[in-house]
Amino acid sequence: EVQLVQSGAEVKKPGESLKISCKGSGYSFTDYWIAWVRQMPGKGLDWMGIIYPGDSDTRYSPSFQGQVTISADKSISTAYLQWSNLKASDTAMYYCARHVRGCSSTSCHLDHWGQGTLVTVSS
Amino acid sequence: QSALTQPASVSGSPGQSITISCTGTSSDVGNYNLVSWYEQHPGKAPKLMIYEGSKRPSGVSNRFSGSKSGNTASLTISGLQAEDEADYYCCSYAGSSTFVIFGGGTKLTVL
Repeated sequence: EVQLVQSGAEVKKPGESLKISCKGSGYSFTDYWIAWVRQMPGKGLDWMGIIYPGDSDTRYSPSFQGQVTISADKSISTAYLQWSNLKASDTAMYYCARHVRGCSSTSCHLDHWGQGTLVTVSS
Repeated sequence: QSALTQPASVSGSPGQSITISCTGTSSDVGNYNLVSWYEQHPGKAPKLMIYEGSKRPSGVSNRFSGSKSGNTASLTISGLQAEDEADYYCCSYAGSSTFVIFGGGTKLTVL
């Protein structure tokens, strides 16, 4: 069974750094792109970027380029999303999800999702 | 690029059919057959319901169907059931710079 298990909720102060994780199991982690998706309180979904754990090839949405860093450690089947300078506006639920066949002009959908990590940034 | 446009809410009675529209542009919905739809119940992660415009993943009821005309994609749910009450999001590939755009979401109420 394919599973994406995310790290637990975080409460941080503005200016702090944070790294949340997403561990894949039940499939070959290095063969599928992993995306990160933001959902701000009461709002819709925002696609942030993707990583291919096999070679750590990473792409970002223009809206999130330079704001976050996506990485992966294939040896432990885990993808990460990190911030170096959190803002109150980063308060949101963050989901990782698997792109079935990557994200290109031939295929781009998310078939399995993690349970979400709630990040709260408040002074 | 702006989010895809969805109605904020739709409603229907049990047994009825409803359709949710998702309007984009010739750079996203109109240019690729790569619209997907996700169902999200309160406090839960989204679930894939339709991909590549009209394909259903294994395990998704055939009451859910997708279609596209021009720059507008649609999700139709037939034989509405109480368990269908949720938020629904459309999503489209938008090229190698933007990659993915989601719609703003539609709240489905089963009366």
